[in-house]
Formats: sequence, C-alpha cells, structure tokens
Amino acid sequence: QKEVEQNSGPLSVPEGAIASLNCTYSDRGSQSFFWYRQYSGKSPELIMFIYSNGDKEDGRFTAQLNKASQYVSLLIRDSQPSDSATYLCAVKDTGNQFYFGTGTSLTVIP
Amino acid sequence: DGGITQSPKYLFRKEGQNVTLSCEQNLNHDAMYWYRQDPGQGLRLIYYSQIVNDFQKGDIAEGYSVSREKKESFPLTVTSAQKNPTAFYLCASSKRLRTAQETQYFGPGTRLLVL
Repeated sequence: QKEVEQNSGPLSVPEGAIASLNCTYSDRGSQSFFWYRQYSGKSPELIMFIYSNGDKEDGRFTAQLNKASQYVSLLIRDSQPSDSATYLCAVKDTGNQFYFGTGTSLTVIP
Repeated sequence: DGGITQSPKYLFRKEGQNVTLSCEQNLNHDAMYWYRQDPGQGLRLIYYSQIVNDFQKGDIAEGYSVSREKKESFPLTVTSAQKNPTAFYLCASSKRLRTAQETQYFGPGTRLLVL
C-alpha cells in the first residue's frame, strides 16, 4: 500500500506569518505531487503541483520537493484568515493513480 | 463553463435501499474517479475508469457499483450491501495522459446520510 503521511494538526499561525505544511510518501517511484485546499464542507481545490526537485513558487505559495528524502512541503507566506482550511497532500504514481494524505488543518489567527 | 457537476448535493438513504450518485464532466477528460471521505480521514478510492466501458475497483469497492457508458458520465450506486454509507462522496476527473503535470479536478461532492 502506497502511503502519504501528514501531521493532522491543527496548525495555528498568526496572520501575516509563514505557515509550513509537510508531507512524506512511501513510494519512491512517485511521479508528481499536489497540494489541495479543502474548506469545511467543500470539495478539494488544487493549489499547486510539483514534480521536479527543488522549489516552485506561485504567489504566496511555495512547494518544495526532495525526492531523496521522499518529502514535500507547502509554505504559505503572509498567511491570511481566508487560508484557514485543511490542506491535502496527494501523490501520483506512474499509473496515474493518486494517493491522498489525511490532511493538515490550518487556522490563521487574525 | 467547463467543470464537473455532482448531484444531488445531499442524499438520504433508507435501510436496504440502493441510491445512485450522479457525476458529469464536460472537460473532455478520459479518466474519472470516485472517492469517499469520512470525517478526519483522507480520500479513499472506490472505483476509477480510464476509458469508456471499462472501470476498476479501488481500495473500498465493496458495496458500490459503477458504470461508464459515456465519456462524460460516471454514476456511482451505493447498494444495500454497503452497511456504513454515511460519508462525503467526491467525483474527480483527469486526462488519461500519464504525464507528471496531469492532475485531478474535483466536483462539489454529494453528502450521503442514512435515515
């Protein structure tokens, strides 16, 4: 079974701070990595994806990938109360199958 | 507007009843998926289909059935054999291309409750 592990949280950060979300995965053959945001009672929405080692930035979000350590993270700069949600890490294998972590709950305190 | 629609938003099932959840997409995606989400848990794969008239079981297929007669549609039936069906059901789709960049997009979900 391919596993994706996340700290469930809750993670609380003050408004304007950097929130750091982490994810580890078990399958070394994993192809690409995704971060979804899920508001309470809503479906997941894609924030960003990464498939090469290193950093990828998109606005206030930065995804970091280290395939050797089987580790992927999401940094949210200048956190806003509207960022309060559950963040799901997803890993895609070469067979186009996605595996999801249980999510990290983030609360941004005004 | 392109997207994925699911209906109904809420569904109530009586004991012993089969119910069907609808999922339609106009993104021209080949692959479609059904997930179940329980409180505090991640998404668990029920069934997926990479092409019309073909589908495969996921990790928790028991008590569920699907069909894929059209590219745009992938309905899920929750049968009476599923003893604990209360959950949030999510339909997703993606292009079939096995490239690193290809991602899944989700519909708005159906919340199933047992009366």
